[in-house]
Amino acid sequence: QKEVEQNSGPLSVPEGAIASLNCTYSDRVSQSFFWYRQYSGKSPELIMSIYSNGDKEDGRFTAQLNKASQYVSLLIRDSQPSDSATYLCAVNNAGGTSYGKLTFGQGTILTVHP
Amino acid sequence: GAVVSQHPSRVICKSGTSVKIECRSLDFQATTMFWYRQFPKQSLMLMATSNEGSKATYEQGVEKDKFLINHASLTLSTLTVTSAHPEDSSFYICSARALETQYFGPGTRLLVL
Repeated sequence: QKEVEQNSGPLSVPEGAIASLNCTYSDRVSQSFFWYRQYSGKSPELIMSIYSNGDKEDGRFTAQLNKASQYVSLLIRDSQPSDSATYLCAVNNAGGTSYGKLTFGQGTILTVHP
Repeated sequence: GAVVSQHPSRVICKSGTSVKIECRSLDFQATTMFWYRQFPKQSLMLMATSNEGSKATYEQGVEKDKFLINHASLTLSTLTVTSAHPEDSSFYICSARALETQYFGPGTRLLVL
């Protein structure tokens, strides 16, 4: 069983719509959760981090965390063609020798079409 | 803030040579840096964890004698690919940890001929 799972997509949404990206994780003691955006041929860029249950908003982006359901999501409002990229969900391991390591999902490819 | 640089951005070398890649945290100190490799259309694969002043911790299946890591200061980690072969051609990306968050460098694209 994969530790962090994402739907690989591709997810296609029209410009101006809301894009919803989902992620589930298996390690119940995970504490820190991140969304990175990766354009083709580039390295990942941090979009959001979230540590507590509930919603966290930053501009057009909203991260949602539900630890009971082991579920993290990212909503992108007013999607733009420039949002087209692969979105990586990452979970920080809880501790011990794995402290600080991130476990990544496979990524969801998002395409925003004009 | 939290800017990470890598050098070189792209390198082409002949089979059998060694290549050194530098990773620097420009505006913060990083006791821990990470080295990843990414093949086309695949996700990031963690190669090793680099800790300042101590030996790196390698992931299972990564040859520590082939991928030499040195983390001599709080702002610099280096990865040396020794005796590179065409199968080592990949996108190598470092990250530096600040508190709970990893910030990624721009990556180094290695092509071994």
